[in-house]
Amino acid sequence: GAGVSQSPRYKVAKRGQDVALRCDPISGHVSLFWYQQALGQGPEFLTYFQNEAQLDKSGLPSDRFFAERPEGSVSTLKIQRTQQEDSAVYLCASSPRSGSGNTIYFGEGSWLTVV
Amino acid sequence: SQQGEEDPQALSIQEGENATMNCSYKTSINNLQWYRQNSGRGLVHLILIRSNEREKHSGRLRVTLDTSKKSSSLLITASRAADTASYFCATPPILTGGGNKLTFGTGTQLKVEL
Repeated sequence: GAGVSQSPRYKVAKRGQDVALRCDPISGHVSLFWYQQALGQGPEFLTYFQNEAQLDKSGLPSDRFFAERPEGSVSTLKIQRTQQEDSAVYLCASSPRSGSGNTIYFGEGSWLTVV
Repeated sequence: SQQGEEDPQALSIQEGENATMNCSYKTSINNLQWYRQNSGRGLVHLILIRSNEREKHSGRLRVTLDTSKKSSSLLITASRAADTASYFCATPPILTGGGNKLTFGTGTQLKVEL
């Protein structure tokens, strides 16, 4: 597709439920990022992939959060046993190459509400 | 954790006026980037300024960088209602191998009124 695509756009989960958020990056992009954005705040880094390798997962808030990109394209962020504090927008982004000077392209986010 | 803060947190101006937003950051940088986020949407990259640059222009945008003060400013000239959005500064890690992992500021909410 033309841009980064995320699904679902909106998800309401009951506390304790598992959720899976999908990201389709721009075709051919090497780098893929997940960010979490709480209401009224800037995005906070969760994890980074270079192709299929997860090079940095330092931002994942707990072991309930897991991300994968098994074939180096589509990525899934999974949250187990969701808690109310997990309510946020989850943004996926991709970049054609690694390196700090490359433009990052963001998807429109998956809005998660845990009730 | 956030890298720094944008100032002001919120800004309301009339169409045609200029809007200035400031960003402070904490650590040394290779570059600083500005992003726009419309309500309910993803972020859009606006402009990147490298650490050896002091000023950069792109259309109605002007960005300055003062590495001695660890601060940057974004000026939008002749603002339009369509500029209404949140604006964030962001910095990547200075170490190689850090990829383009960005640390974002807290954002400035700009409202441009007709």
